[in-house]
Order: sequence, then C-alpha cells, then structure tokens
Amino acid sequence: DAGVTQSPTHLIKTRGQQVTLRCSPKSGHDTVSWYQQALGQGPQFIFQYYEEEERQRGNFPDRFSGHQFPNYSSELNVNALLLGDSALYLCASSLGPGTGGTEAFFGQGTRLTVV
Amino acid sequence: QQQVKQSPQSLIVQKGGISIINCAYENTAFDYFPWYQQFPGKGPALLIAIRPDVSEKKEGRFTISFNKSAKQFSLHIMDSQPGDSATYFCATRSTSGTYKYIFGTGTRLKVLA
Repeated sequence: DAGVTQSPTHLIKTRGQQVTLRCSPKSGHDTVSWYQQALGQGPQFIFQYYEEEERQRGNFPDRFSGHQFPNYSSELNVNALLLGDSALYLCASSLGPGTGGTEAFFGQGTRLTVV
Repeated sequence: QQQVKQSPQSLIVQKGGISIINCAYENTAFDYFPWYQQFPGKGPALLIAIRPDVSEKKEGRFTISFNKSAKQFSLHIMDSQPGDSATYFCATRSTSGTYKYIFGTGTRLKVLA
C-alpha cells in the first residue's frame, strides 16, 4: 500500500518564478492538506482540499493556491516566489471531514529553495 | 492565532534514560493529540496519539500523559535509544470544519550511546 507520495523531492527556483508541487494521497484517502515547514520550525497549515474544493486556509497569501483532481491527488502552486518561501512543503492525507476526521499521514516533503 | 507551546527546544539524554517532552495548548476545541517523529530530510511520521477522554496511553516505550484541565500533554520515551534521536512535534487537531493540525515548534532529541 503506497503511502503519501510527493514530487519532486528537491527543487531550486529563482525569486519571482512560479512553482508547482504535487501530491498523491494514501490509498483510500480523499482529503489533502498542505503544510509549510521552515527550517527549525513546526509545520504550518496552508490549506486543505476535499471534494476538489479548498475547505480552509491558513495565514498564507493568495500567491499560494492549489487544486485537487478527481483522483484526489493535489497540486500546490506558489507564484512570485520570495526568498522566504524556501521551506519543506509537506502534504498530508486523511479521510474527509464527513467521517469525523482521521489521522493524517505525511509525505516525505518537497524541499524548495528560492535563490 | 491558536498556539501549541512545546518544550524543551532541545534535549540530550543518555542511552537507557527517560526523555520527556511537554506541550501546552490554549483552545479547548481540539479532539486529537498526536506526536510526530521526524528525521532529517523526511516528513513527520505519526508516533502515538491520544484523545481527550483518556489520561494516558502507552505503546511500547512511548507514553502520552494528558491533563485536560491544565491543557497540557507530554511524551515520555522510556529506555531511550540512539535510534530515537530525531525531532519530535506535538500537535493538536481542530474539531471544527477541516480538522487541521496545529503543531508545536519541535524538540530536537539526541540520545547518547
């Protein structure tokens, strides 16, 4: 049973560019949440997708956007990259709110470096 | 802004010793309190979790103690091993809407051989 898979594992981008990160949830899961983990910090909630809609958003600017596909996989897009966007981006999958919530499983993350 | 305060920031323990990490939360609208273990370059992995109707949960060498009235919970690692050296995060899960997680700032544990 494949767990949560993210791609790519590492990425280097230039300030001002745009980036797309991808996530495939654990088999059977229908909800994807994205988190940003800066170096030495705990993960910070960016947003969650369920039924192909953004359900809740953390304190992140509109430069951060996402999408969920019918197969439950998800993308995180970041526009106009800033140096401060450099972080480990984590995807977590779970079952949707309608089930009362389940434990979240995290992928290995995408390490984004903005130069 | 809801917060989860975690301490200590770093911890050094001798092999065979007990590692204790503490967390405190502010809001009562949480229904699930997990601890995650993270190795360098990896994503967090669920270690053990507890629900607020239970005061203690033990799984192998790992125990969570939960104090609902004080809004505190802690992780105890018994017989700590060098392989336990990692960063540990406590988290709370919101009961409203999306069940998002709020993480503590992490504790870097080093177990000396």
